[in-house]
Amino acid sequence: DTAVSQTPKYLVTQMGNDKSIKCEQNLGHDTMYWYKQDSKKFLKIMFSYNNKELIINETVPNRFSPKSPDKAHLNLHINSLELGDSAVYFCASSQGGLAGDPYEQYFGPGTRLTVT
Amino acid sequence: AQSVSQHNHHVILSEAASLELGCNYSYGGTVNLFWYVQYPGQHLQLLLKYFSGDPLVKGIKGFEAEFIKSKFSFNLRKPSVQWSDTAEYFCAVRGGGFKTIFGAGTRLFVKA
Repeated sequence: DTAVSQTPKYLVTQMGNDKSIKCEQNLGHDTMYWYKQDSKKFLKIMFSYNNKELIINETVPNRFSPKSPDKAHLNLHINSLELGDSAVYFCASSQGGLAGDPYEQYFGPGTRLTVT
Repeated sequence: AQSVSQHNHHVILSEAASLELGCNYSYGGTVNLFWYVQYPGQHLQLLLKYFSGDPLVKGIKGFEAEFIKSKFSFNLRKPSVQWSDTAEYFCAVRGGGFKTIFGAGTRLFVKA
């Protein structure tokens, strides 16, 4: 009974390809997130959805497009992959998620993306 | 804008040594504070959190943290570390906006 799951766990692809990463949470949370963790372990927020509505959209290339078909799922599609996109991508979820909500985030296992 | 600073990027300790990891943040209003841990090859997990009340917070695995509002600090402590505490530790702050800001992380290596 995994709380936050991501697929695939590993993704190796060539530059220029398009790929998607899927995320699902079974915690009944209202908010989901995508983070990018680079090789130095720095964790940076990319997007967040609250009840399928985009509430955080950081400065990421528009090759990255999140999609939330329902509040239990948040997928990340990446077009025209570049070498610099290589990283570990974490999905997370939380209750609330609106300004000031005091809730922690639950993280998925991560997807290690390698672009060659 | 909010920011989080973790003072130590790498810490090496022997088993049974005491641990203190520094975390400072910049935000003038009410904050929610977190420490997360990432064991090698695993996802982030919550160690402990502070929302309100007693500024000394106890978490899992014998960790605790103290919120000192006047110093904008939320340092993580453990009196006696074990080899299994080897991991990356992240301090995180959530202020008045939607975002939780993570520090750059501290890599702890505990020698057996």
